[in-house]
Amino acid sequence: AQSVAQPEDQVNVAEGNPLTVKCTYSVSGNPYLFWYVQYPNRGLQFLLKYITGDNLVKGSYGFEAEFNKSQTSFHLKKPSALVSDSALYFCAVRDDGAGNMLTFGGGTRLMVKP
Amino acid sequence: DAGITQSPRHKVTETGTPVTLRCHQTENHRYMYWYRQDPGHGLRLIHYSYGVKDTDKGEVSDGYSVSRSKTEDFLLTLESATSSQTSVYFCAISDSGTGISDTQYFGPGTRLTVL
Repeated sequence: AQSVAQPEDQVNVAEGNPLTVKCTYSVSGNPYLFWYVQYPNRGLQFLLKYITGDNLVKGSYGFEAEFNKSQTSFHLKKPSALVSDSALYFCAVRDDGAGNMLTFGGGTRLMVKP
Repeated sequence: DAGITQSPRHKVTETGTPVTLRCHQTENHRYMYWYRQDPGHGLRLIHYSYGVKDTDKGEVSDGYSVSRSKTEDFLLTLESATSSQTSVYFCAISDSGTGISDTQYFGPGTRLTVL
């Protein structure tokens, strides 16, 4: 079975400061990891994914995520937050033995204050 | 929203009535999915399709059925709506190569309220 945990319901950060949104996962095989962002009244937008290779993945809008196999984590980061980054962020995982089943975390609301 | 439309975008219905939600894609992608989004649960997979007339159940399929008669359309039906099915429903698509590394792209969602 595969699962994802996003331990923080909300993250608050000041504009210009670095941000981190945490994600840990559990799979029985190899993990394939995704981050999505959801703005109010919109669908989910794909940010980035980790399949294999370099542990640091770069994605859209200046976001990046670091895959850490020993800690089973895939935290989302950005060096300098913008007010416009305020949104709901979802981590998702697929086990390489689970076909197309994608399991989502409960989401983390990011609030960036001016 | 990656060439995906959902209709209706909002619907209010009464308990016990049938409801059908439509997802339409213009990307000619093989895989289509229906999810529901509820606070604290993220998104949970209801059903998915891997081709015309080929569908399978997801994590929360009870009370839902689906049909796919054309590549571009995937219908979700609530045979007899209940208040527990009040949710936001999202359709997603992916173009499966191996399936493992596919990215899913999401539609704008349908907000369903069952009174």
